[in-house]
Amino acid sequence: AQTVTQSQPEMSVQEAETVTLSCTYDTSESDYYLFWYKQPPSRQMILVIRQEAYKQQNATENRFSVNFQKAAKSFSLKISDSQLGDAAMYFCAYSIGNQFYFGTGTSLTVIP
Amino acid sequence: DAGITQSPRYKITETGRQVTLMCHQTWSHSYMFWYRQDLGHGLRLIYYSAAADITDKGEVPDGYVVSRSKTENFPLTLESATRSQTSVYFCASRAGTSNQPQHFGDGTRLSIL
Repeated sequence: AQTVTQSQPEMSVQEAETVTLSCTYDTSESDYYLFWYKQPPSRQMILVIRQEAYKQQNATENRFSVNFQKAAKSFSLKISDSQLGDAAMYFCAYSIGNQFYFGTGTSLTVIP
Repeated sequence: DAGITQSPRYKITETGRQVTLMCHQTWSHSYMFWYRQDLGHGLRLIYYSAAADITDKGEVPDGYVVSRSKTENFPLTLESATRSQTSVYFCASRAGTSNQPQHFGDGTRLSIL
């Protein structure tokens, strides 16, 4: 079974500081894709960043970067220079074929 | 504007009633998906469709029916609503290849009394 685990239900960070959200997944496949989505209170699901499993280089999008450890099946999200607008629910997701599997989410609070 | 739209945004109904949630996308994406979001479960896949007239079950399909007669539309029907189906429902679409992200609608909050 494919599973995605986010072990931190809630996290908080001071504005301008850095925070890392953890995600692990379980799969026997070698070719898959990983994503982080952000869900603000407006309920929209917004793509933050994605990573192809065959790429060793960690993906980066502005203040967002990932630490992808394929052997450990770990895919953490680092948010640098946190801003108030980063406050949201963050979901890690794993994609293989036509299936998408989501973690249960981490609620991030940004403290001014 | 191009995008994916869901309607209604909010819906209240009673147990035993039939209710249909609509989803429309303008990107001509081949894949479309329905999820439900519940506390403690994240998003769970109900059904997906690879193309018009092709649908398949996801993780939690029981009690739901889908159809896809046109590429751009993917309605989700609860034939006889139950309280356990109270949830937020998201529709998503994706281009053909699995390395592409899914693009989500704004969700429908469905309450079944």
